[in-house]
Amino acid sequence: NAGVMQNPRHLVRRRGQEARLRCSPMKGHSHVYWYRQLPEEGLKFMVYLQKENIIDESGMPKERFSAEFPKEGPSILRIQQVVRGDSAAYFCASSPAGQGPQHFGDGTRLSIL
Amino acid sequence: AQSVTQPDIHITVSEGASLELRCNYSYGATPYLFWYVQSPGQGLQLLLKYFSGDTLVQGIKGFEAEFKRSQSSFNLRKPSVHWSDAAEYFCAVQETSGSRLTFGEGTQLTVNP
Repeated sequence: NAGVMQNPRHLVRRRGQEARLRCSPMKGHSHVYWYRQLPEEGLKFMVYLQKENIIDESGMPKERFSAEFPKEGPSILRIQQVVRGDSAAYFCASSPAGQGPQHFGDGTRLSIL
Repeated sequence: AQSVTQPDIHITVSEGASLELRCNYSYGATPYLFWYVQSPGQGLQLLLKYFSGDTLVQGIKGFEAEFKRSQSSFNLRKPSVHWSDAAEYFCAVQETSGSRLTFGEGTQLTVNP
């Protein structure tokens, strides 16, 4: 009974490179959420997606960040031209419906050199 | 906008002692309420949730929480703490009409032998 799968667990990028973070939701879950956890802070909502649709992206930075959840395959959080301030843990969560508990993956720790 | 406050950044208790972690929220109506636990390098695990009904909810690992509408609080309790409970604890709220979770800043729990 696989949970939310995120990969990679750790990702190192140099400034200016692109980072791609992947998330496969739990079986039977069609709602995916991305959160960011900066050092010494709580989790902050970024974006909420269903298959092929972005439902709420009000927490996404206006530039360089994008997310998708295609009909087939995992959800992708993409960060272009990374900067030092993007260093954080990025968590994906999924749920079977748009409300109620969300189940979290183990996160991707992104480090920018 | 909804917000969550966890007043205690760090709490230290002795093994076997009782525990109470505080959580206050700000929201126009009664939101859905959650407690999650995060071990180092891991994702978040759901401890318990409150949607409606009985204001005392039971969760996993011997935890319980009590919803108090008059105080806008949802405090987490455990009668006897085990060393394995050392972790970071997050309170979260979800609007009844929305999907995103809003998290508190977290409380780091240290358990002394």
